Amino acid sequence: AQSVTQLGSHVSVSEGALVLLRCNYSSSVPPYLFWYVQYPNQGLQLLLKYTSAATLVKGINGFEAEFKKSETSFHLTKPSAHMSDAAEYFCAVSERTGNQFYFGTGTSLTVIP
Amino acid sequence: DAGVTQSPTHLIKTRGQQVTLRCSPKSGHDTVSWYQQALGQGPQFIFQYYEEEERQRGNFPDRFSGHQFPNYSSELNVNALLLGDSALYLCASSPAGGPYNEQFFGPGTRLTVL
Repeated sequence: AQSVTQLGSHVSVSEGALVLLRCNYSSSVPPYLFWYVQYPNQGLQLLLKYTSAATLVKGINGFEAEFKKSETSFHLTKPSAHMSDAAEYFCAVSERTGNQFYFGTGTSLTVIP
Repeated sequence: DAGVTQSPTHLIKTRGQQVTLRCSPKSGHDTVSWYQQALGQGPQFIFQYYEEEERQRGNFPDRFSGHQFPNYSSELNVNALLLGDSALYLCASSPAGGPYNEQFFGPGTRLTVL
């Protein structure tokens, strides 16, 4: 089974600073990769996804992620943090031969004014 | 488009009881997945329904069962509730076609077992 590791359960950045949230997956065959955001008392909203097209994927709200097969990573970045980015972020993978999504344990992002 | 809707929003049950949670998928979607999200954790896959059949199941006991109706809506049933079943239960829908499709999530049902 797949496993997804998100390094850093809590990340704090200053407003305007770079956001970097880390995600590593375990599969030897590159899966489909997703980043979701969850605001308090809400469901998950898709930020971006990688499905074997360009390795640099751009998403909503200025977020992007780069798929690196050699590092089995799919880190999420945003050049300049905004207060509204404070939320819980989840990395998820879906195997190419299955229908199940595997989620990481999440990273809580705090933006300091 | 109403998106994925779930009912009820909150639910309080006692140990040993049974509960039914409901989900209506996003318009045009025919695949429904259920997840359990414990406090401070990522969502854990329970099962997925497609064409009224359970297509795939995660590592959950048989106390967890489901159903999908001809209109693609779905129910999650949990029998013999345990304290550890307290969690946010998320429903997600997606169009048929493959695991590369984005799953759209509902707001969840918060289940508390006392």
